[in-house]
Amino acid sequence: DIVMTQTPLSSPVTLGQPASISCRSSQSLVHSDGNTYLSWLQQRPGQPPRLLIYKISNRFSGVPDRFSGSGAGTDFTLKISRVEAEDVGVYYCMQASQFPWTFGQGTKVEIK
Amino acid sequence: QVQLVESGGGVVQPGGSLRLSCAASGFTFSGYGIHWVRQAPGTGLEWVAFIRYDGSYKHYADSVKGRFTISRDNSKNTLYLQMNSLRAEDTAIYYCVKDHGGNWDYWGQGTLVTVSS
Repeated sequence: DIVMTQTPLSSPVTLGQPASISCRSSQSLVHSDGNTYLSWLQQRPGQPPRLLIYKISNRFSGVPDRFSGSGAGTDFTLKISRVEAEDVGVYYCMQASQFPWTFGQGTKVEIK
Repeated sequence: QVQLVESGGGVVQPGGSLRLSCAASGFTFSGYGIHWVRQAPGTGLEWVAFIRYDGSYKHYADSVKGRFTISRDNSKNTLYLQMNSLRAEDTAIYYCVKDHGGNWDYWGQGTLVTVSS
């Protein structure tokens, strides 16, 4: 199974400041079809997860442009350019390139 | 708009059974694969099962293989998860998730399953 490792596990951030989360996979996430199915999910307190970013860097419908994704192969990053209060929650990376599909442990973003 | 509404959760004794449902609306249900994903209290996400758009192909996590069965009724726009031989470690919120070509784009609100004597 592909292991997804996120760092840090906790990220206290000042409002208006940037935040960055790293996700590393134990194997390349390049699928045989040429795509890399690496997504980022946000889970606000008491809410289900929701899709933020798909295929490394594509923002899902309605996601603010302060969220961006980058990376390739086995190393990926989610960046929030200026953290807002509504961004508090847990962020997960996940891979859908290889069965079984797996998630990172989650990174908790909180306001300092 | 796309909606996925899970139901059927509850409290069940170890060794018992439960059937979860996921009612879909706002999209062509028969055109998409759907996953079940669970989240134990205070922990991360675990993929449980997947079914192809037409029901012809199913995948299970090793932790539930042989105990859980995923199915769907495209005429009713509904997904199911039959859970047998339940264990304490199956206690979790269960989400159904729409799969758009490898991008898991919509998640339901979840239904809580508690396995306890």
